[in-house]
Amino acid sequence: GQQVMQIPQYQHVQEGEDFTTYCNSSTTLSNIQWYKQRPGGHPVFLIQLVKSGEVKKQKRLTFQFGEAKKNSSLHITATQTTDVGTYFCAADNYGQNFVFGPGTRLSVLP
Amino acid sequence: DTAVSQTPKYLVTQMGNDKSIKCEQNLGHDTMYWYKQDSKKFLKIMFSYNNKELIINETVPNRFSPKSPDKAHLNLHINSLELGDSAVYFCASSQRGTEIQYFGAGTRLSVL
Repeated sequence: GQQVMQIPQYQHVQEGEDFTTYCNSSTTLSNIQWYKQRPGGHPVFLIQLVKSGEVKKQKRLTFQFGEAKKNSSLHITATQTTDVGTYFCAADNYGQNFVFGPGTRLSVLP
Repeated sequence: DTAVSQTPKYLVTQMGNDKSIKCEQNLGHDTMYWYKQDSKKFLKIMFSYNNKELIINETVPNRFSPKSPDKAHLNLHINSLELGDSAVYFCASSQRGTEIQYFGAGTRLSVL
Protein backbone atom coordinates (compact mmCIF):
# COMPACT_ATOMS: atom_id res chain seq x y z
CA GLY A 1 0.00 0.00 0.00
CA GLN A 2 0.87 3.62 -0.17
CA GLN A 3 3.54 4.79 2.25
CA VAL A 4 4.13 8.30 3.43
CA MET A 5 7.36 9.18 5.19
CA GLN A 6 8.25 12.32 7.05
CA ILE A 7 11.63 13.56 8.15
CA PRO A 8 12.86 14.45 10.62
CA GLN A 9 10.91 12.61 13.29
CA TYR A 10 11.91 15.20 15.90
CA GLN A 11 13.37 18.68 15.63
CA HIS A 12 14.54 20.94 18.44
CA VAL A 13 15.22 24.54 17.49
CA GLN A 14 16.04 27.74 19.29
CA GLU A 15 13.35 30.37 19.03
CA GLY A 16 14.03 32.47 15.95
CA GLU A 17 15.61 29.65 13.97
CA ASP A 18 14.03 28.26 10.85
CA PHE A 19 12.46 24.79 10.61
CA THR A 20 11.65 22.49 7.70
CA THR A 21 9.85 19.16 7.58
CA TYR A 22 9.71 16.95 4.52
CA CYS A 23 7.05 14.54 3.36
CA ASN A 24 7.71 11.82 0.79
CA SER A 25 5.32 9.41 -0.87
CA SER A 26 6.00 6.18 -2.72
CA THR A 27 3.31 7.05 -5.28
CA THR A 28 2.12 10.10 -7.21
CA LEU A 29 -0.44 12.04 -5.23
CA SER A 30 -3.56 13.91 -6.26
CA ASN A 31 -3.10 16.32 -3.40
CA ILE A 32 -1.37 16.70 -0.09
CA GLN A 33 -2.55 18.28 3.12
CA TRP A 34 -0.73 19.54 6.19
CA TYR A 35 -2.06 19.45 9.73
CA LYS A 36 -0.74 20.74 13.04
CA GLN A 37 -1.38 19.11 16.39
CA ARG A 38 -0.51 21.06 19.51
CA PRO A 39 0.51 19.04 22.59
CA GLY A 40 -2.64 17.58 24.12
CA GLY A 41 -4.73 18.81 21.19
CA HIS A 42 -6.17 17.45 18.00
CA PRO A 43 -4.93 17.73 14.40
CA VAL A 44 -5.96 20.98 12.76
CA PHE A 45 -5.95 21.48 9.01
CA LEU A 46 -3.40 24.01 7.75
CA ILE A 47 -3.38 23.81 3.96
CA GLN A 48 -3.97 21.69 0.88
CA LEU A 49 -1.69 21.59 -2.16
CA VAL A 50 -3.01 20.29 -5.46
CA LYS A 51 -0.87 21.49 -8.37
CA SER A 52 2.58 20.25 -9.33
CA GLY A 53 5.23 22.67 -8.03
CA GLU A 54 2.67 24.66 -6.06
CA VAL A 55 3.93 27.01 -3.35
CA LYS A 56 1.63 28.54 -0.75
CA LYS A 57 2.40 30.85 2.14
CA GLN A 58 0.66 31.49 5.43
CA LYS A 59 2.52 34.23 7.30
CA ARG A 60 5.78 32.54 8.40
CA LEU A 61 4.80 29.14 6.96
CA THR A 62 5.70 28.15 3.38
CA PHE A 63 4.31 24.98 1.85
CA GLN A 64 5.61 23.40 -1.32
CA PHE A 65 4.41 20.51 -3.51
CA GLY A 66 7.06 18.77 -5.59
CA GLU A 67 7.07 18.83 -9.38
CA ALA A 68 6.48 15.08 -9.52
CA LYS A 69 3.72 15.34 -6.88
CA LYS A 70 5.48 12.78 -4.70
CA ASN A 71 6.89 15.05 -2.03
CA SER A 72 6.13 18.17 -0.09
CA SER A 73 7.75 20.43 2.46
CA LEU A 74 6.70 22.81 5.19
CA HIS A 75 9.10 25.57 6.13
CA ILE A 76 8.68 27.85 9.13
CA THR A 77 10.69 31.05 9.21
CA ALA A 78 11.85 32.44 12.57
CA THR A 79 10.08 29.92 14.79
CA GLN A 80 8.12 31.02 17.83
CA THR A 81 7.09 29.06 20.91
CA THR A 82 3.55 28.98 19.52
CA ASP A 83 4.85 26.80 16.65
CA VAL A 84 5.43 23.89 19.05
CA GLY A 85 3.56 20.75 18.05
CA THR A 86 3.52 17.83 15.66
CA TYR A 87 3.19 18.55 11.95
CA PHE A 88 1.57 15.87 9.83
CA CYS A 89 1.32 15.58 6.10
CA ALA A 90 -1.62 13.63 4.73
CA ALA A 91 -1.55 12.20 1.25
CA ASP A 92 -4.48 11.48 -1.04
CA ASN A 93 -3.79 8.90 -3.72
CA TYR A 94 -6.53 9.88 -6.20
CA GLY A 95 -9.24 8.74 -3.82
CA GLN A 96 -7.85 5.26 -3.37
CA ASN A 97 -6.78 5.91 0.17
CA PHE A 98 -5.86 8.71 2.50
CA VAL A 99 -2.76 8.31 4.64
CA PHE A 100 -1.19 10.42 7.36
CA GLY A 101 2.56 10.59 7.65
CA PRO A 102 4.15 9.74 11.02
CA GLY A 103 4.60 13.43 11.85
CA THR A 104 7.49 15.69 12.80
CA ARG A 105 7.51 16.81 16.41
CA LEU A 106 8.83 20.36 16.77
CA SER A 107 10.17 21.76 20.02
CA VAL A 108 11.06 25.43 20.25
CA LEU A 109 13.38 26.51 23.02
CA PRO A 110 12.82 30.09 24.24
CA ASP B 1 -20.79 25.25 18.96
CA THR B 2 -18.16 22.54 18.52
CA ALA B 3 -18.10 21.27 14.94
CA VAL B 4 -17.02 17.69 15.73
CA SER B 5 -17.73 16.56 19.26
CA GLN B 6 -16.87 13.27 20.87
CA THR B 7 -17.71 11.85 24.25
CA PRO B 8 -16.33 10.97 26.64
CA LYS B 9 -13.09 12.94 26.68
CA TYR B 10 -11.45 10.47 29.05
CA LEU B 11 -12.22 6.80 29.56
CA VAL B 12 -10.50 4.64 32.15
CA THR B 13 -11.58 1.03 32.31
CA GLN B 14 -10.51 -2.49 33.18
CA MET B 15 -9.35 -5.12 30.73
CA GLY B 16 -12.18 -7.21 29.38
CA ASN B 17 -14.82 -4.49 29.63
CA ASP B 18 -16.93 -3.19 26.73
CA LYS B 19 -17.07 0.55 26.07
CA SER B 20 -18.44 2.99 23.50
CA ILE B 21 -17.28 6.35 22.22
CA LYS B 22 -19.75 8.69 20.53
CA CYS B 23 -19.11 11.23 17.81
CA GLU B 24 -21.34 13.87 16.28
CA GLN B 25 -20.62 16.51 13.63
CA ASN B 26 -22.76 19.53 12.81
CA LEU B 27 -20.89 20.53 9.66
CA GLY B 28 -23.21 18.74 7.27
CA HIS B 29 -20.33 16.55 6.07
CA ASP B 30 -21.06 13.22 4.43
CA THR B 31 -17.93 11.33 5.50
CA MET B 32 -16.82 10.45 9.01
CA TYR B 33 -13.74 8.66 10.31
CA TRP B 34 -12.25 7.02 13.35
CA TYR B 35 -8.50 7.29 13.95
CA LYS B 36 -6.28 5.75 16.60
CA GLN B 37 -3.26 7.69 17.82
CA ASP B 38 -0.77 5.71 19.86
CA SER B 39 1.83 6.95 22.32
CA LYS B 40 4.28 7.63 19.47
CA LYS B 41 1.73 9.97 17.88
CA PHE B 42 1.14 7.76 14.82
CA LEU B 43 -2.29 8.57 13.44
CA LYS B 44 -3.86 5.48 11.90
CA ILE B 45 -7.23 5.39 10.19
CA MET B 46 -9.54 2.66 11.48
CA PHE B 47 -12.85 3.22 9.72
CA SER B 48 -14.46 5.59 7.30
CA TYR B 49 -18.19 5.99 6.63
CA ASN B 50 -19.79 7.87 3.76
CA ASN B 51 -23.50 8.58 4.13
CA LYS B 52 -23.83 5.82 6.73
CA GLU B 53 -22.01 3.26 4.55
CA LEU B 54 -18.68 1.74 5.51
CA ILE B 55 -16.05 2.60 2.89
CA ILE B 56 -12.76 2.01 4.70
CA ASN B 57 -12.15 -0.76 7.18
CA GLU B 58 -8.47 -1.05 7.90
CA THR B 59 -6.97 -4.05 9.63
CA VAL B 60 -8.65 -3.60 12.95
CA PRO B 61 -9.62 -6.39 15.38
CA ASN B 62 -13.28 -7.28 15.05
CA ARG B 63 -13.67 -6.27 18.71
CA PHE B 64 -14.03 -2.78 17.25
CA SER B 65 -17.41 -2.13 15.67
CA PRO B 66 -18.43 1.24 14.25
CA LYS B 67 -22.05 2.24 13.93
CA SER B 68 -23.46 5.14 11.96
CA PRO B 69 -27.14 5.75 12.73
CA ASP B 70 -27.15 8.78 10.42
CA LYS B 71 -24.56 10.76 8.53
CA ALA B 72 -24.01 13.16 11.45
CA HIS B 73 -23.09 10.42 13.91
CA LEU B 74 -20.43 7.73 14.02
CA ASN B 75 -20.02 5.74 17.19
CA LEU B 76 -17.30 3.26 18.09
CA HIS B 77 -17.99 0.24 20.27
CA ILE B 78 -15.10 -1.80 21.63
CA ASN B 79 -15.60 -5.27 23.12
CA SER B 80 -13.27 -7.10 25.48
CA LEU B 81 -10.84 -4.23 25.91
CA GLU B 82 -7.13 -5.07 25.96
CA LEU B 83 -4.11 -3.19 27.30
CA GLY B 84 -2.98 -2.44 23.74
CA ASP B 85 -6.19 -0.56 23.06
CA SER B 86 -4.97 2.28 25.26
CA ALA B 87 -4.60 5.29 22.96
CA VAL B 88 -6.28 8.50 21.93
CA TYR B 89 -9.17 7.93 19.53
CA PHE B 90 -10.10 10.75 17.20
CA CYS B 91 -13.27 11.17 15.25
CA ALA B 92 -13.12 13.32 12.12
CA SER B 93 -15.41 14.39 9.31
CA SER B 94 -14.96 15.73 5.80
CA GLN B 95 -16.99 16.67 2.78
CA ARG B 96 -16.40 14.41 -0.21
CA GLY B 97 -14.53 16.35 -2.85
CA THR B 98 -12.29 18.34 -0.51
CA GLU B 99 -11.23 15.59 1.92
CA ILE B 100 -10.19 18.28 4.41
CA GLN B 101 -10.70 16.64 7.76
CA TYR B 102 -12.07 18.26 10.87
CA PHE B 103 -11.13 16.44 14.04
CA GLY B 104 -12.85 16.10 17.35
CA ALA B 105 -10.95 16.78 20.57
CA GLY B 106 -10.19 13.09 21.05
CA THR B 107 -11.03 10.42 23.62
CA ARG B 108 -8.14 9.29 25.77
CA LEU B 109 -8.74 5.62 26.55
CA SER B 110 -6.74 3.95 29.30
CA VAL B 111 -7.14 0.22 29.81
CA LEU B 112 -5.88 -1.03 33.17
